[in-house]
Amino acid sequence: QLQLQESGPGLVKPSETLSLTCSVSGGSISSSSYYWGWIRQPPGKGLEWIGSIYYSGSTYYNPSLKSRVTISVDTSKNQFSLKLSSVTAADTAVYYCARVESDSQFDPWGQGTLVTVSS
Amino acid sequence: QTVVTQEPSFSVSPGGTVTLTCGLSFGSVSTSYYPSWYQQTPGQAPRTLIYSTNTRSSGVPDRFSGSILGNKAALTITGAQADDESDYYCVLYMGSGIWVFGGGTKLTVL
Repeated sequence: QLQLQESGPGLVKPSETLSLTCSVSGGSISSSSYYWGWIRQPPGKGLEWIGSIYYSGSTYYNPSLKSRVTISVDTSKNQFSLKLSSVTAADTAVYYCARVESDSQFDPWGQGTLVTVSS
Repeated sequence: QTVVTQEPSFSVSPGGTVTLTCGLSFGSVSTSYYPSWYQQTPGQAPRTLIYSTNTRSSGVPDRFSGSILGNKAALTITGAQADDESDYYCVLYMGSGIWVFGGGTKLTVL
């Protein structure tokens, strides 16, 4: 059974870079059928797609975040990562990673990790 | 900027039927947007209910169904139960690897 697990600092200072990693177990990140994505949810608010990556390294970003986001993949570790630069309090959110099935769905999801931006 | 619209809140009686919708700030939602639906309870990750408009995810009861109604995607819950009280999100595929989530609907069962 495929499982995803987010990891990274729970507290980031304003103007710094948020860095998270998603570890994939129970399946290969190099599967040609899937992409891998990041989604976030500010406290009490809705979901926002941040971006996705294919195992080859092709990336797709939310236009509203594109200037600050970098998603990368490490197939040797079966992981993919998110970097979000110049963070502000507005970037405080639960960050989820998920497998993206072509153009159809996000499934499964990681449990999510809360990142708070505060000095 | 593309906006995906959902009702902010909805209420249904136990045993009743409710239809939540997912629209676009411009134009109509069609199957080409591959609408999918997710259920989220507080403190939990979203759970896939429906993908590709009307395909039920594994283990999802058949009282959940997806469709296109008019110019919107729709999620219908037939025979609502107390544990259906959740937030429901739709997401549309815009092409070129881009996805947009709706703002979510908070469903109350009472």
